[in-house]
Amino acid sequence: DQQVKQNSPSLSVQEGRISILNCDYTNSMFDYFLWYKKYPAEGPTFLISISSIKDKNEDGRFTVFLNKSAKHLSLHIVPSQPGDSAVYFCAAKGPQGASYGKLTFGQGTILTVHP
Amino acid sequence: DTGVSQNPRHKITKRGQNVTFRCDPISEHNRLYWYRQTLGQGPEFLTYFQNEAQLEKSRLLSDRFSAERPKGSFSTLEIQRTEQGDSAMYLCASGREVDEQFFGPGTRLTVL
Repeated sequence: DQQVKQNSPSLSVQEGRISILNCDYTNSMFDYFLWYKKYPAEGPTFLISISSIKDKNEDGRFTVFLNKSAKHLSLHIVPSQPGDSAVYFCAAKGPQGASYGKLTFGQGTILTVHP
Repeated sequence: DTGVSQNPRHKITKRGQNVTFRCDPISEHNRLYWYRQTLGQGPEFLTYFQNEAQLEKSRLLSDRFSAERPKGSFSTLEIQRTEQGDSAMYLCASGREVDEQFFGPGTRLTVL
């Protein structure tokens, strides 16, 4: 069972525009959510996170929104840059293993930012 | 801070052979995780160490898989009698706090 889902395998945007990456989850016991970026031949790199007690977290060009009632989160990148082109993974901590940080990942979305 | 390192970066082996991967976490990180990523999927949790103690194992980790972290520093992941279905990227991550995980570059295993 896929508890964290990223239903868009890919997204293409123009440089300078907004990129919106979406993620849905099924288990209401998840208490912490993270976004990772992955370039080819590298491991995932942490981008931004949000606790379930918040609905928004912002860090520079990156903002994550959490809608607990809809079990949905999104990552906004504004403005998008060609260097943002990568695979983006949504991850949730828990529910089992939350005490030690076990992460459950979505399938990933390939973002391509065109100059 | 040299980051998490993993060796080898690539491994090609024949079905039935044993393979061993190594992960060197960031210094002083007491938490260490192994994940497996197959094509088109996100990483899947395999196992977790706190210092030298292996505290959690996923059901994905069959009896052919074993992981160790003997001195609470580096860790090894061994796969015995490899099968073609074991072909994947094996990722190691480390952290100090429960909400942080820094990933290594991974070891790509191909089983022929």
